[in-house]
Amino acid sequence: EAQVTQNPRYLITVTGKKLTVTCSQNMNHEYMSWYRQDPGLGLRQIYYSMNVEVTDKGDVPEGYKVSRKEKRNFPLILESPSPNQTSLYFCASSLSGTNQPQHFGDGTRLSIL
Amino acid sequence: GESVGLHLPTLSVQEGDNSIINCAYSNSASDYFIWYKQESGKGPQFIIDIRSNMDKRQGQRVTVLLNKTVKHLSLQIAATQPGDSAVYFCAEAQGSGGGADGLTFGKGTHLIIQP
Repeated sequence: EAQVTQNPRYLITVTGKKLTVTCSQNMNHEYMSWYRQDPGLGLRQIYYSMNVEVTDKGDVPEGYKVSRKEKRNFPLILESPSPNQTSLYFCASSLSGTNQPQHFGDGTRLSIL
Repeated sequence: GESVGLHLPTLSVQEGDNSIINCAYSNSASDYFIWYKQESGKGPQFIIDIRSNMDKRQGQRVTVLLNKTVKHLSLQIAATQPGDSAVYFCAEAQGSGGGADGLTFGKGTHLIIQP
């Protein structure tokens, strides 16, 4: 089954404790992206990757890092999480860019205390 | 940057009726538009898309209309069913070519189906 898988689905942690949210897709997509979703603000892009070893900032990249060492994986790293990063995060992928339908994972709900 | 917005935050319709969800966009350079459906506890699910060289596209029970003159996008759902209850987002792809730039989402419209 074609899918985008995120882990963990839920996480409660404390300020400053490094965390990684993993994202994996099995569709051989070149393009991958991370979004955060907040009430009243909708979905905002954090980082995206056009292909392996190619990453770029989205609209709200501050406080986040990503890496794309393999085509299928695109982890989101919070080196020193803060409460304002409490949010619902989505990973997405598409064949080759944003001018094609993106497939989304089911989300990761992060709470930073 | 320019943004995509929705006219109504909540839309309530009777089961079996047709629904129309509207979206306004402001970036005249956008050339790709998408509608997503998001159910509670799930990620956005692709419904239908349309490129700027078209003004109408139909899928199964859904139709997307694009009016470039007034920068307006709409999603029509025919014969709504309880399973259509969800939040619907429009989105636009900024830039052109390979679509490297980010996708901009509207805030969403919550569609409620009344029995």
